[in-house]
Amino acid sequence: KAGVTQTPRYLIKTRGQQVTLSCSPISGHRSVSWYQQTPGQGLQFLFEYFSETQRNKGNFPGRFSGRQFSNSRSEMNVSTLELGDSALYLCASSLFGQAPYEQYFGPGTRLTVT
Amino acid sequence: GENVEQHPSTLSVQEGDSAVIKCTYSDSASNYFPWYKQELGKRPQLIIDIRSNVGEKKDQRIAVTLNKTAKHFSLHITETQPEDSAVYFCAANNNNDMRFGAGTRLTVKP
Repeated sequence: KAGVTQTPRYLIKTRGQQVTLSCSPISGHRSVSWYQQTPGQGLQFLFEYFSETQRNKGNFPGRFSGRQFSNSRSEMNVSTLELGDSALYLCASSLFGQAPYEQYFGPGTRLTVT
Repeated sequence: GENVEQHPSTLSVQEGDSAVIKCTYSDSASNYFPWYKQELGKRPQLIIDIRSNVGEKKDQRIAVTLNKTAKHFSLHITETQPEDSAVYFCAANNNNDMRFGAGTRLTVKP
């Protein structure tokens, strides 16, 4: 089975712009979670989607949003980019959304905001 | 919300020694506790996990213990090898809302 994939792998944007990142889960996985990883803050939970619905949300401003499609692929969007948004954005997929199933990470998208 | 604390932040051991990393969590509803290993430039990889109805789980040189009453869980690596060098993250999961500890950088010296 193919693993979790994320596109693009690298992105450079300027302050004020917006960005959309994409995540394709492992085939059959219906839950997708997003995380922000920075050297200073570690792995911070952004949100989790299951069956096209956001079920859980972390403590990020409304500039961070996401969605999930009927094929379980997910996108996250960051509007009005700030320098502090520079980070590695990781998504993870799991088999089902109800029980605590193992989450498997994608390679991440490294976003640099200048 | 859930808050996970992880200690130590860095750990250096000699090859062959044991390494222990400890985490505490705050939300008693958390029921799944995975551990991830992240090598430089790579994605986090699940190495072991434990569910709330189990007190201990072993997989070869790796073991995890969970004390639900005290809300803490630990990762134990025995007979460490240089390839165990990485950053290790603990996490606490409540209904797929997963919160991570800050990570432990483990260095195994040959």
